[in-house]
Amino acid sequence: VTLLEQNPRWRLVPRGQAVNLRCILKNSQYPWMSWYQQDLQKQLQWLFTLRSPGDKEVKSLPGADYLATRVTDTELRLQVANMSQGRTLYCTCSPGTGGAGNTLYFGEGSRLIVV
Amino acid sequence: GDSVTQTEGQVALSEEDFLTIHCNYSASGYPALFWYVQYPGEGPQFLFRASRDKEKGSSRGFEATYNKEATSFHLQKASVQESDSAVYYCALSDLPGTGSNRLTFGKGTKFSLIP
Repeated sequence: VTLLEQNPRWRLVPRGQAVNLRCILKNSQYPWMSWYQQDLQKQLQWLFTLRSPGDKEVKSLPGADYLATRVTDTELRLQVANMSQGRTLYCTCSPGTGGAGNTLYFGEGSRLIVV
Repeated sequence: GDSVTQTEGQVALSEEDFLTIHCNYSASGYPALFWYVQYPGEGPQFLFRASRDKEKGSSRGFEATYNKEATSFHLQKASVQESDSAVYYCALSDLPGTGSNRLTFGKGTKFSLIP
C-alpha cells in the first residue's frame, strides 16, 4: 500500500536553477511528514519535520539550500536551490504518537541531477 | 551528537550463507533502534525496530537484538538469497515514543550475492 506520492520522480536541474518538489500523503494515520536527503554517497540525512499546515522552515547544507512548507494536512513541498551536487530527496511519514510513533515510511524519492 | 557506525562498504556472500552486518551506536539518551533496507531505484523500507534493552526485532528472516551494554544492534540472517541483495541501514531515534521524525542513519552496507 502506497502511503506517499512524490513528484517529480527525477529532474535535470541546470546549475543555479531552483526546483520544486511535492509530496502527497495517502493515509491520514501517518500525519507527521518529513524530508530527508540522500547524497551521492548514499548517506541519509534528516532535513525537516513539519507537522501543521502553514509550517515553514529553511536550511542550508553543503551543496544545496532548502525551503520546506506544510501546505495542507496531506501536502508537503520542498524547494531546492543553489544545488551544486546531485541528490535524492525523500518524503517520509509516521504515526507521530504511540510506541511506534517515530517509525518512518519513505516515499519513492525525487532524484535531482545537476547539469 | 548521536551517531551510528555500521559495517563499512560491501558484504558479499554465497547463497544460503549466514549474514551479519554490524551496527554500533552512540547516543546520550535511550534510543529506539531501526533497520531499513533499500533496493535499487526505491526508497528505504522499514524492516523492524527495537525500543529497549534485550528486545529482539525481526522481519523477513532478518533479526537483531538491542544490546544496551555493548551499544549494538547487529543485523543477522541465517540463509541469504538473491532477493536479499540491497543496501541496509541501521538508524536510531533519540526521542523514542514522542513522535520525533528525526532518525540518525549509518552510512549503509551493501549486500550482494556472489554469483
